[in-house]
Parts: sequence; C-alpha cells; structure tokens
Amino acid sequence: DIQMTQSPSSLSASVGDRVTITCRASQSIGSYLNWYQQKPGKAPNLLIYAASNLQSGVPSSFSGSGSGTDFTLTISSLQPEDFATYYCQQSYSLPPTFGGGTKVEIK
Amino acid sequence: QVQLVESGGGVVQPGRSLRLSCAASGFNFASYALHWVRQAPGKGLEWVAVVSFDGSNKYYADSVKGRFTISRDNSKRTLFLQMSSLRAEDTALYHCARDQGDGYNRFDSWGQGTLVTVSS
Repeated sequence: DIQMTQSPSSLSASVGDRVTITCRASQSIGSYLNWYQQKPGKAPNLLIYAASNLQSGVPSSFSGSGSGTDFTLTISSLQPEDFATYYCQQSYSLPPTFGGGTKVEIK
Repeated sequence: QVQLVESGGGVVQPGRSLRLSCAASGFNFASYALHWVRQAPGKGLEWVAVVSFDGSNKYYADSVKGRFTISRDNSKRTLFLQMSSLRAEDTALYHCARDQGDGYNRFDSWGQGTLVTVSS
C-alpha cells in the first residue's frame, strides 16, 4: 500500500494568513492526489482533485500543486470557515490511502 | 442535489454481523462507482471497499477482506455493506461516498455516516 504522510499534523494560524500543508507519498503517484476538508461532526468535502484541479463550488483561495511524491495544499488567505482538518488521499492505486490529517486551528 | 443517507449502524457484540445501507438520490446512481470509508472515533479516514457502477467489480481493504461484502441494487438506488465477524477495531463512523466517476477512486460526495460500535 502507498503511505501518505502529511505535515504538520496541526497548525495555528490567524484569519488572513497564508497556510501551506504538505503531503508526501511513499512512491511516485503522478498527479493522483486529492485534498479534503473535514469540519467537526461533518463528512469530508472534496477540495482539490488530481493535484491541482479545484472541485466545483470550492473557493479559489484554495489551490494545490505538486507531482510525483510531494504535494502542497495552499490557502491563500485563511477565513474563519476554513478552520478544519485537511486530508490528502492518493488515487493512484488500490487501496486508496489517506494522510493522517492536518488540523488548522485559530491562533 | 446529490444525497447519500446511511443507515443500519448500532451496537453489536464482537463476532456478530451487521448490514449497512446507503440510499442515494439526486444523480444517475447506475453510472458511478461507490465506496465505503470509515473513521474511528477521533481518528483519520480509512477506505474500506468499492463496487463498480454495475456491481461487477469489488475491492476491499486488507483489514476487512473476507469479512465484509459490498454490494449494490441499482434498481433501488441503494449501496450495502454486509459486515460479519465484527471486531472491536471495526468501531467507526461508516460513510458511503460517491466516486467521481467509475474507478477514479476519489470521492466527490459523502453521506453523514452511520456509527458502528463493536463492544461486549
């Protein structure tokens, strides 16, 4: 199975900050990398698919980049509604695997 | 809009069985692969199983292989997960999730989940 490692596991940031979360795959996965946002008590929500494609309805403040083994999710200007846990997930091969999550908290 | 509603969770003793259902609406059900993804309390996401759009192909996580069976009824727009020989480590919130197509293995719509607790 492909292992996905996210960093940091948590971070504190202020409204308006630029936030970057990284995800590393244990082997090359091309651009088969997706990002999800999960708020407490809610189901995950797809933000970015295929490394850099914004899912319909997702604010343009979210962006994704990377290929191969190293990927980044960037929030250009953190908004109050962005405080949540973020997960990366590889869809290169079965089983699909997730990173451990990054919790974004209010500073 | 796309809606996925899970049901069937509950408290069950180790070794027993449980059947989860996921009722879908708002999209062409028979055109999409469907997945089960679980989340243990306070933990991250773990993929469980997938069934292709027509039910002909199924894949499972090693942790549930041989114990869980995924299936679908396209005429009733319903996804199922038959769970047997349940273990404490199967305790989790079980979400059904729609594949972004058939075999993309990324999840563009999720249900709110149904909680399974395995405990004596």
